Amino acid sequence: AQSVTQLDSQVPVFEEAPVELRCNYSSSVSVYLFWYVQYPNQGLQLLLKYLSGSTLVKGINGFEAEFNKSQTSFHLRKPSVHISDTAEYFCAVSDAPHTGKLIFGQGTTLQVKP
Amino acid sequence: DTEVTQTPKHLVMGMTNKKSLKCEQHMGHRAMYWYKQKAKKPPELMFVYSYEKLSINESVPSRFSPECPNSSLLNLHLHALQPEDSALYLCASSQGEQFFGPGTRLTVL
Repeated sequence: AQSVTQLDSQVPVFEEAPVELRCNYSSSVSVYLFWYVQYPNQGLQLLLKYLSGSTLVKGINGFEAEFNKSQTSFHLRKPSVHISDTAEYFCAVSDAPHTGKLIFGQGTTLQVKP
Repeated sequence: DTEVTQTPKHLVMGMTNKKSLKCEQHMGHRAMYWYKQKAKKPPELMFVYSYEKLSINESVPSRFSPECPNSSLLNLHLHALQPEDSALYLCASSQGEQFFGPGTRLTVL
């Protein structure tokens, strides 16, 4: 069975500082990995995805993530955060991206302080 | 058109009411999903439709009844709900990754 663990429930950071949101997964099959962001009172927006190929994935809004198969991790990073990045971030895994189930982590609240 | 739309945005209903949530996408995606999300929690999968057929039902109570009239539309019919069913209901469609709608905020009194 697949599972996702987001290691931090809250990450406070000052504006313009770098940030890393951690995600570990477990799966016995090929995995497809995703990071979604949810702003207050909105739906989820895809930040980036790993399906295959390069292990360094670049997404929207300056975010990137690195797929590390040996450590079963898919950590999300941004070199300099803005106040507008304050939101809930979800890591998710799927075994079949076209029609399969997404298994979500519990989420990490990123709080960017001025 | 790269968005999923959901109506209504907000819904308040009593425990004896019957209501429906609507979801629409025009991206040609053949998989569509319903999720339930409680505050400060990740979305929980309820149903998956693939090529207009129900392919996954995550043991959802029968007071929730999904319907996929065509490849662009997904409905969720609600009847005799409980207060604990109050949540944000999200629809998504997929052709490689899931695109989510803005959700319907449901309150059951």
